[in-house]
Amino acid sequence: NAGVTQTPKFQVLKTGQSMTLQCAQDMNHEYMSWYRQDPGMGLRLIHYSVGAGITDQGEVPNGYNVSRSTTEDFPLRLLSAAPSQTSVYFCASSYSRTGGTYEQYFGPGTRLTVT
Amino acid sequence: GEDVEQSLFLSVREGDSSVINCTYTDSSSTYLYWYKQEPGAGLQLLTYIFSNMDMKQDQRLTVLLNKKDKHLSLRIADTQTGDSAIYFCAERIYGGYQKVTFGTGTKLQVIP
Repeated sequence: NAGVTQTPKFQVLKTGQSMTLQCAQDMNHEYMSWYRQDPGMGLRLIHYSVGAGITDQGEVPNGYNVSRSTTEDFPLRLLSAAPSQTSVYFCASSYSRTGGTYEQYFGPGTRLTVT
Repeated sequence: GEDVEQSLFLSVREGDSSVINCTYTDSSSTYLYWYKQEPGAGLQLLTYIFSNMDMKQDQRLTVLLNKKDKHLSLRIADTQTGDSAIYFCAERIYGGYQKVTFGTGTKLQVIP
């Protein structure tokens, strides 16, 4: 299994540009999430999905869209990039064991710089 | 709201024990997790503890939970240079998949 894969690894955008960060998992996990990691802060949840066709907002959803048309893929779209979106983005997938542990498996991350 | 705090940095000598501490505020937590992040990589789950437990041991890792003080610690015995990384604690509260809060991370430096 490849686990959770993310592309691209690095990206530089100009303010106002749009782009899609790709995330895929081959573990048949029903749950998937996008987080951003900023210096001095923990991971913050952007959007999440509890199954194909079902998405919801996390803590910091503004400026981002998601969709989940298949179990495997969960792309994150930046609508109009802003310097405040400069960050490292992580995708994670999860399943629920009995008792609700929701162990998460993380991708390697995408480092995004918006100038 | 939920808040999870960790010290930013810890330095230990190879072979010593490391203790990384974490405090959390939400008393409705169900599971508490420790993740490891190596440079340029994503987070890797190390271990977790259910909130009704006091201690969990897994090879060189020992997790201690003081629910009264809302304090969680991760002890790494015989610390190796390969343990150098950032360690995150995370709290999951009752209410579903999305109800998880991460700490800011503790950078562990192991001196040979």
